[in-house]
Amino acid sequence: GAVVSQHPSWVICKSGTSVKIECRSLDFQATTMFWYRQFPKQSLMLMATSNEGSKATYEQGVEKDKFLINHASLTLSTLTVTSAHPEDSSFYICSAWGMPDTQYFGPGTRLTVL
Amino acid sequence: AQTVTQSQPEMSVQEAETVTLSCTYDTSENNYYLFWYKQPPSRQMILVIRQEAYKQQNATENRFSVNFQKAAKSFSLKISDSQLGDTAMYFCAFMTPQGGSEKLVFGKGTKLTVNP
Repeated sequence: GAVVSQHPSWVICKSGTSVKIECRSLDFQATTMFWYRQFPKQSLMLMATSNEGSKATYEQGVEKDKFLINHASLTLSTLTVTSAHPEDSSFYICSAWGMPDTQYFGPGTRLTVL
Repeated sequence: AQTVTQSQPEMSVQEAETVTLSCTYDTSENNYYLFWYKQPPSRQMILVIRQEAYKQQNATENRFSVNFQKAAKSFSLKISDSQLGDTAMYFCAFMTPQGGSEKLVFGKGTKLTVNP
């Protein structure tokens, strides 16, 4: 149980385009999901907390207009990187809050912006 | 603010031996949870073990066990009978219950290499 999927696993896009990443909880409902960014050989950096049916809460320094988060259902949250630039290239990981009081992580999405 | 410190950036161990990864944290809270996550080369974050602060008994999961010292704010992970598949980054994490928006605070990680 407690499986979280992400799609796509790897995406390459041109500078200036937008990219959407999906995060799904497959066997449980998650009212809260989280989006992280991870640079090579570093720890996870929390970008935002996504709550079903309400606006996401962004961490300090994260551009809300660049990283759009939508949590439309109890099993799906999406992260859209708008007008992507090479500096947005990174590894993005989502997690979902499940029982017992634990975050379960998706496999991550590698974004490369050319 | 809560902080998590992992003082060992890298460690190595021979297959079948035992290794201990250290983690300390700082908090003024009394009720919280502690976690160890494993991130192998695939980069999938995998929950290794979980400990509730109110439980005095140390958590164990097969070859993985913790030494939770609440007064010292220490939460070390012991891996027994190390296997090649244990090679990974290990992250210690801390969380305080907040009624639904619980955030994890991560340490910087320890890279563990298991040698054949």
